[in-house]
Amino acid sequence: QKEVEQDPGPLSVPEGAIVSLNCTYSNSAFQYFMWYRQYSRKGPELLMYTYSSGNKEDGRFTAQVDKSSKYISLFIRDSQPSDSATYLCAMSARDGQNFVFGPGTRLSVLP
Amino acid sequence: GAGVSQSPSNKVTEKGKDVELRCDPISGHTALYWYRQSLGQGLEFLIYFQGNSAPDKSGLPSDRFSAERTGGSVSTLTIQRTQQEDSAVYLCASSLVWGGGEQYFGPGTRLTVT
Repeated sequence: QKEVEQDPGPLSVPEGAIVSLNCTYSNSAFQYFMWYRQYSRKGPELLMYTYSSGNKEDGRFTAQVDKSSKYISLFIRDSQPSDSATYLCAMSARDGQNFVFGPGTRLSVLP
Repeated sequence: GAGVSQSPSNKVTEKGKDVELRCDPISGHTALYWYRQSLGQGLEFLIYFQGNSAPDKSGLPSDRFSAERTGGSVSTLTIQRTQQEDSAVYLCASSLVWGGGEQYFGPGTRLTVT
């Protein structure tokens, strides 16, 4: 079993839809959880950075962490074609150290 | 200044040759990280620098891989005697301090070993 699992997709949704992206993990020591967006042939760009369980909202993006289930989610409201990218989850046991990344989910938002 | 830059953006090399990849971090960032991204795989952590020193080299895939950083700024990742399985995108990231959260990534170097 991989340390971090993520459905590779591709996930196709119509413009305006609510998108739910998810990761599961096996290491209960993880406390810091991140979501990155990566456009084709670009480096990953940090979207959300959360600590421990709970929700965090930033504009159209909401990150949710459920440590008891070892499950994290990223919700995108009112999705736009410009949201089409690969979304990577990452997590670590210590702040800024030893990140473990999921393989990414490829999202296409269709106009 | 500008974001993290990497060069070259693309590199095609023959099996057995040595390659050198360069990373220029954001000015003032003391921590620098190298990752490898293969198709369908997550980012694989290779090595990090705190200043000029690399406390943990255990992420490097083999002894053909080495990295150095000079002057607390530019870093080079060297792969000797390249193999086809080394083909991947090599990403560099920097952060203000080690253990300080947000990492800023460069665009990567796409390495193809033929």
